[in-house]
Amino acid sequence: QVTLKESGPVLVKPTETLTLTCTVSGFSLSNARMGVSWIRQPPGKALEWLAHIFSNDEKSYSTSLKSRLTISKDTSKSQVVLTMTNMDPVDTATYYCARIEELWFGEHYFDYWGQGTLVTVSS
Amino acid sequence: SYELTQPPSVSVSPGQTARITCSGDALPKKYAYWYQQKSGQAPVLVIYEDSKRPSGIPERFSGSSSGTMATLTISGAQVEDEADYYCYSTDSSGNHSLFGGGTKLTVL
Repeated sequence: QVTLKESGPVLVKPTETLTLTCTVSGFSLSNARMGVSWIRQPPGKALEWLAHIFSNDEKSYSTSLKSRLTISKDTSKSQVVLTMTNMDPVDTATYYCARIEELWFGEHYFDYWGQGTLVTVSS
Repeated sequence: SYELTQPPSVSVSPGQTARITCSGDALPKKYAYWYQQKSGQAPVLVIYEDSKRPSGIPERFSGSSSGTMATLTISGAQVEDEADYYCYSTDSSGNHSLFGGGTKLTVL
């Protein structure tokens, strides 16, 4: 069955760089019309899409966070990595990775989600 | 920037019909998707491509879309349907994803 699992630090200091890894199983990162997104949710607040990467290595980033984000994948390891630079306490959130199902270019959605990992930014 | 707008809260009694709306300028050309998120859990897809229901989702969940508004309808809402509901879509370029602000559904 399809599973996704996020891993990374639970605590980072302000100005540090956050690196999160999403390890997937039950599908391949090379499958056509599939990809992985990162989504976050500050405590008590709404979901916020951050970035995605598709099997053809096409990438896209949230406009507001683009300068701080980098997404990449290692198909052989079934992993997608997100880095976010210059972390701030407002970046405290649960970070989710989710599988993308793409219908056609520009039309896609998330069909499977990881359990999420809470990242706290504090000195 | 593009936004999807949802009401912050909806409240119904058990057995009543709950309707949650989502408005966005690109919705006439883009599908809407709906996610249910219960407290402390990851979101779960309940409606895709405006009106389709994934396997395992109860029939009381339905979706529709007309013009710039998509609607999630829960017919005969149950106490266990209490959750936050998020609509999701892509912008007109197709390059960016976004969620609505979420609607807290109370069933009591």
